[in-house]
Amino acid sequence: GENVEQHPSTLSVQEGDSAVIKCTYSDSASNYFPWYKQELGKRPQLIIDIRSNVGEKKDQRIAVTLNKTAKHFSLHITETQPEDSAVYFCAAKRGADGLTFGKGTHLIIQP
Amino acid sequence: DTAVSQTPKYLVTQMGNDKSIKCEQNLGHDTMYWYKQDSKKFLKIMFSYNNKELIINETVPNRFSPKSPDKAHLNLHINSLELGDSAVYFCASSETQGRYNNEQFFGPGTRLTVL
Repeated sequence: GENVEQHPSTLSVQEGDSAVIKCTYSDSASNYFPWYKQELGKRPQLIIDIRSNVGEKKDQRIAVTLNKTAKHFSLHITETQPEDSAVYFCAAKRGADGLTFGKGTHLIIQP
Repeated sequence: DTAVSQTPKYLVTQMGNDKSIKCEQNLGHDTMYWYKQDSKKFLKIMFSYNNKELIINETVPNRFSPKSPDKAHLNLHINSLELGDSAVYFCASSETQGRYNNEQFFGPGTRLTVL
């Protein structure tokens, strides 16, 4: 089955700086790669996703890049703000399978 | 209106009991899922289900069984509860158009505590 590795497990950045979280996946048949943000005690919420026919996608301060050959994808958050503090999960999916999640990154924004 | 809802929000029970968690979505999606989030926050797929196919994660004990009375509901039944079943269980749904995947919407979660 699919295996998703996510790094780092904790990331602390100064407010206003950029944050980058990286993931690798194992199954070349995976074709959908979402990123979820989870605040304490809340449900995971999608912040951005990318499909395998696209190399990069951007939404305001958030961007995701995908390298299918290397089987890795990354989340970039620019101009970080205190409300960006949360746990971020990458995931991979193929077909009707459920999402296979990475183990999460705890992002801490230092004021 | 809530898109994906779950009941109950909290469930505290004794070892050995049988319990159910209900999930409903009003988005008209064709696929529903159950995920388990353990104390280390790891999120793992348990089941994915649409009206054609049930896909079971092979690591899920057969004490867990999904039941779908209709397209908008996917309930989770757990028999003979064990301490290790304590976790937050999330239901989710999406519209899966063949090979084309779309956003999964998550329910608020059910925190299960087995004593």
